[in-house]
Amino acid sequence: GAGVSQSPSNKVTEKGKDVELRCDPISGHTALYWYRQSLGQGLEFLIYFQGNSAPDKSGLPSDRFSAERTGGSVSTLTIQRTQQEDSAVYLCASSREWPGISGNTIYFGEGSWLTVV
Amino acid sequence: DQQVKQNSPSLSVQEGRISILNCDYTNSMFDYFLWYKKYPAEGPTFLISISSIKDKNEDGRFTVFLNKSAKHLSLHIVPSQPGDSAVYFCAASARAAGNKLTFGGGTRVLVKP
Repeated sequence: GAGVSQSPSNKVTEKGKDVELRCDPISGHTALYWYRQSLGQGLEFLIYFQGNSAPDKSGLPSDRFSAERTGGSVSTLTIQRTQQEDSAVYLCASSREWPGISGNTIYFGEGSWLTVV
Repeated sequence: DQQVKQNSPSLSVQEGRISILNCDYTNSMFDYFLWYKKYPAEGPTFLISISSIKDKNEDGRFTVFLNKSAKHLSLHIVPSQPGDSAVYFCAASARAAGNKLTFGGGTRVLVKP
């Protein structure tokens, strides 16, 4: 597709259940990011994949959170045993190899809205 | 440890006037800075960026200024339009740290007609 695609767009789940959120980055983009935005908060970094390098997982809030990127393309963010504080919009983004270089900016998807009840 | 800070959570400005959004950072390794705009229920969209080798970058109504000695950048929107009403995030990255973007908390801008 032309942009970053995320699914589901909305997810309501019961506390304690596991959820999977999917991200399909822009074709050719080797860098993939997950961020989340809780209500009234800023963008919180979760995890960053860059090519074949080991992912930067420094932003994952707990061991209930994990992410994979298969084949250097699609990524799945998994939240196990969801808690109410996990409710947020989860944003995926992708960029070319060096997003810091002018023109290689980061493009975001529209997000997956997660509500834990 | 918040490395990128936007100290003004909100800003209200009259249509046609200038909007000035501020952003401060603490990490001297940051070498690239970006501004993103976010409408409700949408993902952030790229607005404008600046490399640390510059102190100003202009694109139409949007100008970003960088003051490295003060570790401060600002976004000027002039003239402001009602469609500019959104949340604006500044972000910074460091090539030495793998170019991961660190975002500020955002500033909500309301442009009044």
